[in-house]
Amino acid sequence: KNEVEQSPQNLTAQEGEFITINCSYSVGISALHWLQQHPGGGIVSLFMLSSGKKKHGRLIATINIQEKHSSLHITASHPRDSAVYICAVLPTQGGSEKLVFGKGTKLTVNP
Amino acid sequence: DSGVTQTPKHLITATGQRVTLRCSPRSGDLSVYWYQQSLDQGLQFLIQYYNGEERAKGNILERFSAQQFPDLHSELNLSSLELGDSALYFCASSNYRERGYTFGSGTRLTVV
Repeated sequence: KNEVEQSPQNLTAQEGEFITINCSYSVGISALHWLQQHPGGGIVSLFMLSSGKKKHGRLIATINIQEKHSSLHITASHPRDSAVYICAVLPTQGGSEKLVFGKGTKLTVNP
Repeated sequence: DSGVTQTPKHLITATGQRVTLRCSPRSGDLSVYWYQQSLDQGLQFLIQYYNGEERAKGNILERFSAQQFPDLHSELNLSSLELGDSALYFCASSNYRERGYTFGSGTRLTVV
């Protein structure tokens, strides 16, 4: 079983819809990252969370440390939001600084 | 521009060859991480350097090596290349306690 599980694997939405991507993890963590990867490859860090909630524009990320769960929400989705969204955690075990990644959620937003 | 610079962006080479990928971290970041992203494996951690010294090692093959230089730029050397080494190679840097991770745009390596 992967330490980081994302759902759904694939998501297709119509422009304007509210989108939620979920991430569950099984280890103790010091932080969780949400990353965005567009076709063509580059990775952009959207959020780093250790507690609570963060908002940036139409993107909202929440984390529940007790439940080991995080969600990424996109309000008023747009075709330019089409990308792979990757959840990554920083485990506390061993004082590691290396990220452990989920397999990603491929989002397609149709006009 | 994320502040992390990777060169080259694309590389096509033959099996058995050796290549060097380069990464310049964001100004002020002491840690550099190398990750490999292949179609079937997703993102995998290879190796981390902190201020010139190896800090952590992941599933890095013996054919691969890396170093971080005094100016903090890092190089990933891949030798005796095989078809299965074709992947996107990402570098990331961090000054973790303050600013989290920043990824470079990646080097797409194709081994033919």
